[in-house]
Amino acid sequence: GAGVSQSPSNKVTEKGKDVELRCDPISGHTALYWYRQSLGQGLEFLIYFQGNSAPDKSGLPSDRFSAERTGGSVSTLTIQRTQQEDSAVYLCASSSRDRGSPLHFGNGTRLTVT
Amino acid sequence: SQQGEEDPQALSIQEGENATMNCSYKTSINNLQWYRQNSGRGLVHLILIRSNEREKHSGRLRVTLDTSKKSSSLLITASRAADTASYFCATDRLDSSYKLIFGSGTRLLVRP
Repeated sequence: GAGVSQSPSNKVTEKGKDVELRCDPISGHTALYWYRQSLGQGLEFLIYFQGNSAPDKSGLPSDRFSAERTGGSVSTLTIQRTQQEDSAVYLCASSSRDRGSPLHFGNGTRLTVT
Repeated sequence: SQQGEEDPQALSIQEGENATMNCSYKTSINNLQWYRQNSGRGLVHLILIRSNEREKHSGRLRVTLDTSKKSSSLLITASRAADTASYFCATDRLDSSYKLIFGSGTRLLVRP
């Protein structure tokens, strides 16, 4: 079946504008994750959704960042009033509910804030 | 904050040689996973080792886990140019919800 799909693949925005990044997880996967990867760096955890449980937002770097997951499927990561330091690749991943299940990643959205 | 730290940061070897990458972490874990990332792409899961396991094999991959030292190693035997990628360890911490915390990665270059 289809893998994790992210859109857009690239986004260039001006400082101060809001952006929305979309993630379509693998059908049937109850867990969804957002990570951020700066150039040549590791992955920084942002937020984790699991079924109907309250999301783990402990990785969100500021209140300009928010995410929602509608109907237990598609997720949107919103960054308000973007700053240049927000420039990075934003990766989405999904997995089945079992702890220890591997994460399946999308190819990411490359965000550039000018 | 980072949980896992890979070592070395970069590794360059000749095709046919073995590549060893190490990962250290700070807190007790349920399991540790290794992922691979080709340039410009998402990560791909390679192998998972649980906290009660010491060694695991998958094809040319061998993973070890030493929970007393809080460290893991990934060995790729008989490397190929196609193995060129970044490799990340990720830990599932005992004291948190199931969110994987990734290290900073090892960039592997296999020269043909």
